[in-house]
Amino acid sequence: GAGVSQSPSNKVTEKGKDVELRCDPISGHTALYWYRQSLGQGLEFLIYFQGNSAPDKSGLPSDRFSAERTGGSVSTLTIQRTQQEDSAVYLCASSLVAGGLNEQFFGPGTRLTVL
Amino acid sequence: GIQVEQSPPDLILQEGANSTLRCNFSDSVNNLQWFHQNPWGQLINLFYIPSGTKQNGRLSATTVATERYSLLYISSSQTTDSGVYFCAVDEGYSTLTFGKGTMLLVSP
Repeated sequence: GAGVSQSPSNKVTEKGKDVELRCDPISGHTALYWYRQSLGQGLEFLIYFQGNSAPDKSGLPSDRFSAERTGGSVSTLTIQRTQQEDSAVYLCASSLVAGGLNEQFFGPGTRLTVL
Repeated sequence: GIQVEQSPPDLILQEGANSTLRCNFSDSVNNLQWFHQNPWGQLINLFYIPSGTKQNGRLSATTVATERYSLLYISSSQTTDSGVYFCAVDEGYSTLTFGKGTMLLVSP
């Protein structure tokens, strides 16, 4: 596609429910990144993929968070048993490859609200 | 990990004024990007500038990697320039570390 797309744009859920957030990177980009933006923590890295592999999961805040990428394209971020502190905007980015001199481009984000 | 500090945290300008935003980082970097976050939350790429100087219309940026800072210049500011400006760096782990941003308000 022309840019990174994310769905849904907004998600409201009840505490304890599971949610799935989707990211579709720029066509041809092999690296995909998840970040989140919250008032208290600013913009923080969660996980990235090179192809279907996730070399760095160090930013995932707890084992309730997981992500996968299949076919080297679309990625899904899953949050299980959501908590109120999970409320944030979840941003996805992509780049041609990971590392080196590669510019990252961001999607519009998914605003998650946990009631 | 690397520390990224942006200044000033807030800036209010009259339309037509010029401004300079600064980004200091604590270690050497492979990548540095400047973004503008518009009122709808979209992060818009302004510059990819690990070193050197680039210009794009009324905006320009300079990164002095040896001294660990980058500057973003906005000339003849317009109300549409309002928003939050972020500096983000990659110290070699492929992921971006963001500063806290500079919130800019340009009034007519």
